[in-house]
Amino acid sequence: GAGVSQTPSNKVTEKGKYVELRCDPISGHTALYWYRQSLGQGPEFLIYFQGTGAADDSGLPNDRFFAVRPEGSVSTLKIQRTERGDSAVYLCASSQDRAGANVLTFGAGSRLTVL
Amino acid sequence: GNSVTQMEGPVTLSEEAFLTINCTYTATGYPSLFWYVQYPGEGLQLLLKATKADDKGSNKGFEATYRKETTSFHLEKGSVQVSDSAVYFCALSDLSGGGNKLTFGTGTQLKVEL
Repeated sequence: GAGVSQTPSNKVTEKGKYVELRCDPISGHTALYWYRQSLGQGPEFLIYFQGTGAADDSGLPNDRFFAVRPEGSVSTLKIQRTERGDSAVYLCASSQDRAGANVLTFGAGSRLTVL
Repeated sequence: GNSVTQMEGPVTLSEEAFLTINCTYTATGYPSLFWYVQYPGEGLQLLLKATKADDKGSNKGFEATYRKETTSFHLEKGSVQVSDSAVYFCALSDLSGGGNKLTFGTGTQLKVEL
C-alpha cells in the first residue's frame, strides 16, 4: 500500500481482556517495528521483525505481549490479560531493509484504552 | 544505554519568530540522528536526519547539525509559521541487533500564534 496502515484506530477494552492490533506495512518493506507511545512521552521500542522472524523483542514489557508476522508482511501485536497500564498508542513502522540510516515510515497508530 | 533529552514544552512563538529546540543524546558508537514531527491527528513523519558528525540535515526550512563534541542535534528554523505547530521528537538509531531501532526523546510541543 501507499503507507503503513494500522487497525483499529481506536480500541476500548476492559481489564483482563485479550486484544489484537494489526499493522499492514508498505509493500516491499522487509523490516517492521512496533512502538508504544504513552501520553506525553516519546515512542518506546517494543519489537522488530526482519521478514517473518522477530530479530529483536527486547522492548516487550512482559510475556503478556506477543507479536507475529507469519508471511513477512502483515503483523499482529497481541496483548493478553490487558491491564490499565497498557493504555497507550501503539505505533507500527516499516522500512525497506535494516540499514542504519533507512527511514522508518510510521502508521497513524492504534489507540488502546483499558478500562 | 542510549538516551535522548529534549527541552520541555510547550514552546509558544509568534509567527516569523526564530525557533530552537534543544536535543542532546547519550549513545555508544556512532548513531544516526533524526527529528520526527507529529502534526495534530497525524502519525509521526520524518523531518530530517544526519548520519555522521558535522552533517547538517535540512527540510522545509528546518535545520539541525550533528555535533559529536557536544553530543547535540538542536533543531532550528529561522521563521516559523502557524502550520509548524506540532510535536517534535528527537531520536537516535541503535544498530545493535541488526535493525534500525530508534530511541526517542519525550517530544517538544510547538505552538505558533499569529
